[in-house]
Formats: sequence, C-alpha cells, structure tokens
Amino acid sequence: AQTVTQSQPEMSVQEAETVTLSCTYDTSENNYYLFWYKQPPSRQMILVIRQEAYKQQNATENRFSVNFQKAAKSFSLKISDSQLGDTAMYFCAFMPNRFNDYKLSFGAGTTVTVRA
Amino acid sequence: ETGVTQTPRHLVMGMTNKKSLKCEQHLGHNAMYWYKQSAKKPLELMFVYNFKEQTENNSVPSRFSPECPNSSHLFLHLHTLQPEDSALYLCASSHDWDSNQPQHFGDGTRLSIL
Repeated sequence: AQTVTQSQPEMSVQEAETVTLSCTYDTSENNYYLFWYKQPPSRQMILVIRQEAYKQQNATENRFSVNFQKAAKSFSLKISDSQLGDTAMYFCAFMPNRFNDYKLSFGAGTTVTVRA
Repeated sequence: ETGVTQTPRHLVMGMTNKKSLKCEQHLGHNAMYWYKQSAKKPLELMFVYNFKEQTENNSVPSRFSPECPNSSHLFLHLHTLQPEDSALYLCASSHDWDSNQPQHFGDGTRLSIL
C-alpha cells in the first residue's frame, strides 16, 4: 500500500498572498499519478490539479501549481493570490499507473483558511 | 452540479436500524466507488464496482453491503452499525476501473450513529 503524508493539519493565509501545502509519499512504483483535491465546506471533493510522474514539467492550473520532486517523493501545492473561496480542506492523493490497480491513496488533509 | 449525486445528505440512525445510502452519476462512467471519511484520517476506500461487478472490497465489515444494479447507480445498505461507523461517506465515479482518469466525487452523506 502507498502512504501519503500531509504534515500540516492546518494553514492560514491572508487574502491575495501565497500558501504552499506539503505532501510526501512512499512508493516503489516508477510510474504513477499524483493529485490534489479540494473539499470546501460544501463537502464536494473537487480535483484541483494532476501530475503524471513521467512528466518532469510541473503542472499548473490557473493560480494553482505544484512542485513535483520525484527523487524526494515530494508533491507540494502552491496557491497564489489566495481567495476567500480557496478556504477548504486539501487532500493529496497517489495513484499507481498499474493495470487493474488504479487505486487512490489519500493523505489526511490540510485545512486551509483564507483570511479577509 | 458535480454529476455525482448522493442522498440523503444527512442520516441519523440507531444501531439496530437498517438504512441505505444512494449514489447516482450522470457522467457516463463505468466505475463507482464508496469511501469513508473520518475526522483527521485519510479517506478509506471501501468498495469498487466496475461495469456493475465488484472488483474491490477493502476488508469492510459485513454490516456494510453494497449494491450496484447498473453503472449509474450505487447503494450502500447499512444495518447493525456501530458508533465508530459515524463518518462522511463519499461516492465517486470514473471512466472505468482500468483507467487513470480522475475520480469525480459526490457531496457525501454525513452518517451519525446513536
């Protein structure tokens, strides 16, 4: 089983500033996918960004970007120009790219609060 | 609109009750999932159905009984639950199990066991 660790249970950021969420994972796989999901108070889990391990270029999605360090098994999420609507719990997730085993493993989550 | 709809949104039940959670997806997906989300713990995968066939049962107690009558609907039948079963139960779907496509989640059912 893969282990995904999010070491920051809670983070707070001022509106318009930048916050970085950390995520590390443990795997012996070489080919896999990494995701960040956002769960606002409405509870709907929304995919924020996805990274394929074979791609060296870091994924970006508008104000969200990742710093993927494959050797270090690190996958941090940077939220730039934070907005009040970014207040949510953020989950890092790992999925192997292995036939018949596309199981998601989640971290425990980081609660992000954006202050006005 | 997420494309994955879960009902009810909240459920309070006693340990001897029998109830069911429902999930419906309108995305044309073939794989559906049940997850359990407890406070301060990673999401736990419970069951996976692919083309209506159960492909994964992650050592879930028999007091949880899934049913997938078709690719668009997934149920979780509950009976004789324990207080530690109180959690948010999330349903998700994806294109199919044999795929690296991301999963789409519903809003969850908040279950409280008295």
